[in-house]
Amino acid sequence: AQSVTQPDIHITVSEGASLELRCNYSYGATPYLFWYVQSPGQGLQLLLKYFSGDTLVQGIKGFEAEFKRSQSSFNLRKPSVHWSDAAEYFCAVGGNNDMRFGAGTRLTVKP
Amino acid sequence: DAGVIQSPRHEVTEMGQEVTLRCKPISGHNSLFWYRQTMMRGLELLIYFNNNVPIDDSGMPEDRFSAKMPNASFSTLKIQPSEPRDSAVYFCASSPRQGSNTEAFFGQGTRLTVV
Repeated sequence: AQSVTQPDIHITVSEGASLELRCNYSYGATPYLFWYVQSPGQGLQLLLKYFSGDTLVQGIKGFEAEFKRSQSSFNLRKPSVHWSDAAEYFCAVGGNNDMRFGAGTRLTVKP
Repeated sequence: DAGVIQSPRHEVTEMGQEVTLRCKPISGHNSLFWYRQTMMRGLELLIYFNNNVPIDDSGMPEDRFSAKMPNASFSTLKIQPSEPRDSAVYFCASSPRQGSNTEAFFGQGTRLTVV
């Protein structure tokens, strides 16, 4: 079965700074990759997804992610973080007709 | 559409009691997923259905857990008897169709506390 690793449990960045959240996946075939965001007490909301084509995908709220097959990675980026971006971020990989999530990275934004 | 609707939002119950969590998927969606989220284990897939049929229940932790989907608009996750280690947030999600290339839409979750 597919699996996802998010190496960073917690990241703190200053407001206005750039952000990169790491995600590595394991899957034998072409992966379908997703990033979700979870605000406290809420469900998960889709930020962006990669199925095929351009390896740089744009999402909502100014986020983007780049699929790198050679590195089995799908890192999430944002050029300038806003205080409202503080949340938990989950990378997920679809395969075998289901979806598996990473452990999540909690983002703290400093004023 | 109102999105995926879960009830109750919060549930506190005593150990040994039966607990039933409910989910209404988005109308027209064919796949439904139950996830459990804990600090220790993160987000775990428990079971998923396609066209009301359970496809993979390998994530269900033990026989105390059972899930049903009697029709396209309703699913339940039941724990009997409940134990303190079942305390977690349980999410239901639905997807427009079966397949690994479709996104899942999540409900707001049910926070279960077993005392």
